[in-house]
Amino acid sequence: QSVLTQPPSVSGAPGQRVTISCTGSSSNIGAGKVVHWYQHLPGTAPKLLIYGKDKRPSGVPDRFSGSKSGTSASLVITGLQADDEADYYCQSYDGSLSGSWVFGGGTKLTVL
Amino acid sequence: QITLKESGPSLVKPTQTLTLTCTFSGFSLKTTGVAVAWIRQPPGKALEWLALIFWDDDKRYSPSLRSRLTITKDTSKNQVVLTMTNVDPADTATYYCGRRITVFGDVIPDYWGQGTLVTVSS
Repeated sequence: QSVLTQPPSVSGAPGQRVTISCTGSSSNIGAGKVVHWYQHLPGTAPKLLIYGKDKRPSGVPDRFSGSKSGTSASLVITGLQADDEADYYCQSYDGSLSGSWVFGGGTKLTVL
Repeated sequence: QITLKESGPSLVKPTQTLTLTCTFSGFSLKTTGVAVAWIRQPPGKALEWLALIFWDDDKRYSPSLRSRLTITKDTSKNQVVLTMTNVDPADTATYYCGRRITVFGDVIPDYWGQGTLVTVSS
C-alpha cells in the first residue's frame, strides 16, 4: 500500500491530453511538501519530469506539466506521443515519517 | 556528464547481507547540498525509497527498513555503499541509486542509474 495514491492506468490517443492524479494527505502533499514526477520504464533509469513548483529539468518538453492543490497533485501530458507510453510515479516527502521519501503506486500510461 | 552505476551481486541467499555500490561521476559528494539516494522496485511493484546520504554525512533511512540498512560514502572513490542485512525473497528487486541536489531552494532528484537486479533465493 503506497502512501501516495495514483490510478493504476490511464490511456489516450496520440495528440490527446491525459492527467495522472496523485493523492496524499496532510502529512505530505497537504503539508506543502514538494511533489516530483518521474517517467519510468522498468529496468531503465527513472527520468525526472517535474520538480519544485512545476519546473522541468532541461530537455523535458513543455508538454509535461504539474500542479498541486490541497492534498493532491496532478501530472498533465498534452500532445500525447507513442513514446510517452511508460509508468509514471509521483514522489513527495512525509513529515510524519521523518521527511522520508514517499512514492505513489505508479500509473501505466498506454498510448492507444 | 553525470552518470551513476549500481553494482553488486545478482543472487543472494536468504539471511545473507547484501552490499550494493553506487559509483558515480560528473559530480562530487563533497559539494554542499548534494546527496545520493537508493530506491528499489520489486518485480511488478512500485518504486520504494530506501536511504539517502548527504554531503555532510547526514543519513536518512526508510522507517520500515531502518534496522536493516546502512548507507556510507567514500568521496575519494566517488562511491556510495548500501548494506542490507538479513535479506528475504521479498527484497528481490531492481535497485537504483540517484543524485539529489538543492538549487536555489529547489530539491532536485535529477539523475539515476540504470539499476541492478538482485534476486534473493536459496
